[in-house]
Amino acid sequence: SQQGEEDPQALSIQEGENATMNCSYKTSINNLQWYRQNSGRGLVHLILIRSNEREKHSGRLRVTLDTSKKSSSLLITASRAADTASYFCATDTGFQKLVFGTGTRLLVSP
Amino acid sequence: EAGVAQSPRYKIIEKRQSVAFWCNPISGHATLYWYQQILGQGPKLLIQFQNNGVVDDSQLPKDRFSAERLKGVDSTLKIQPAKLEDSAVYLCASSLGRGRGVGTDTQYFGPGTRLTVL
Repeated sequence: SQQGEEDPQALSIQEGENATMNCSYKTSINNLQWYRQNSGRGLVHLILIRSNEREKHSGRLRVTLDTSKKSSSLLITASRAADTASYFCATDTGFQKLVFGTGTRLLVSP
Repeated sequence: EAGVAQSPRYKIIEKRQSVAFWCNPISGHATLYWYQQILGQGPKLLIQFQNNGVVDDSQLPKDRFSAERLKGVDSTLKIQPAKLEDSAVYLCASSLGRGRGVGTDTQYFGPGTRLTVL
């Protein structure tokens, strides 16, 4: 079963714009992770935020976590065509077992 | 450092046939995972190994799917017999496995095997 639901399902923007994706989940978590999947490739880990953290940055990525609302957001600033991919949130409810969401397909046009 | 290796990359079979996938994790990684990703969905965990023991196989359809991890390193996932709904990408991932309950291990994914069942 899917734990997380990403919103929007698809997002189309121009290079240089910011992209925001949201993730909602259902149960308590140890941490929440974001992954990127390019067409035809495997999943690549982007960032992990623990349940006691509220915000985390990594390069052009900014992740927030609101455990009271059971939601997270991923912001990609100054997007590039190479950021075109599907983005998934995944929740770790313990024992390193990840439950993935449904994904957001991001298209960045030059 | 070499990543997670999987083979084959693509496989086409007819329903009721058997198929096997192979995974070689990153050297030294104790935890190995198999996921099924149906088109348009996120990956779903099928089975999780810690060394050569099964940690979680609650979502593995055991009537047709089986998996083993040889000597705590390589792993094979088998489907016998295959059904149309098994068409998906099968992803293998590994992590260091520093201990249950820590919840901070990064999982590294292989390129996947795309299975088409006709």
